[in-house]
Amino acid sequence: AQSVTQLGSHVSVSEGALVLLRCNYSSSVPPYLFWYVQYPNQGLQLLLKYTTGATLVKGINGFEAEFKKSETSFHLTKPSAHMSDAAEYFCAVSASGGSYRPTFGRGTSLIVHP
Amino acid sequence: IAGITQAPTSQILAAGRRMTLRCTQDMRHNAMYWYRQDLGLGLRLIHYSNTAGTTGKGEVPDGYSVSRANTDDFPLTLASAVPSQTSVYFCATREGIEQFFGPGTRLTVL
Repeated sequence: AQSVTQLGSHVSVSEGALVLLRCNYSSSVPPYLFWYVQYPNQGLQLLLKYTTGATLVKGINGFEAEFKKSETSFHLTKPSAHMSDAAEYFCAVSASGGSYRPTFGRGTSLIVHP
Repeated sequence: IAGITQAPTSQILAAGRRMTLRCTQDMRHNAMYWYRQDLGLGLRLIHYSNTAGTTGKGEVPDGYSVSRANTDDFPLTLASAVPSQTSVYFCATREGIEQFFGPGTRLTVL
């Protein structure tokens, strides 16, 4: 069984401020972890993913996330928010090996103020 | 143009009507998925197909059916639409562990 919890349905930051979007997961086997971004009226696109190896993962658009097994977390960060980062962000978990059917979190809407 | 196309872009449908949402990909990916997205609930898997000729049920399959006659097409059918099926529907493919999403179909059932 697997599940994802995204803390905060909305996160509001000022342009230039740190972005932190929280994701906690549960998985009965070693997980694959993902962050997706969805811009208005578009489909999801992959920001970054963790499979094995280095726990700090860098993605597109300056985002990164750190896999912390002891905390079962995979929080998404960006040092300096841009207006163009305003979007919906989804965390997802999938069990490594076996049939691939990821479970998505409920999403966090990032609002960036000028 | 490589990618995933979905049709229609949006649709308003009377309850009780039959509707098929189309999904076509040209990336030759074996695995395909249908999700629905509802505000505050994220994406929920309706049906999936690991390869042409096979399908499986996801988290919320009731009221929906799929077929996978070939690699490229994965239509989703609502046999008798109900208002609770009002949602945005996304088709996705998978290569390795990475999923690729279509632009979505916004469906309203009245």
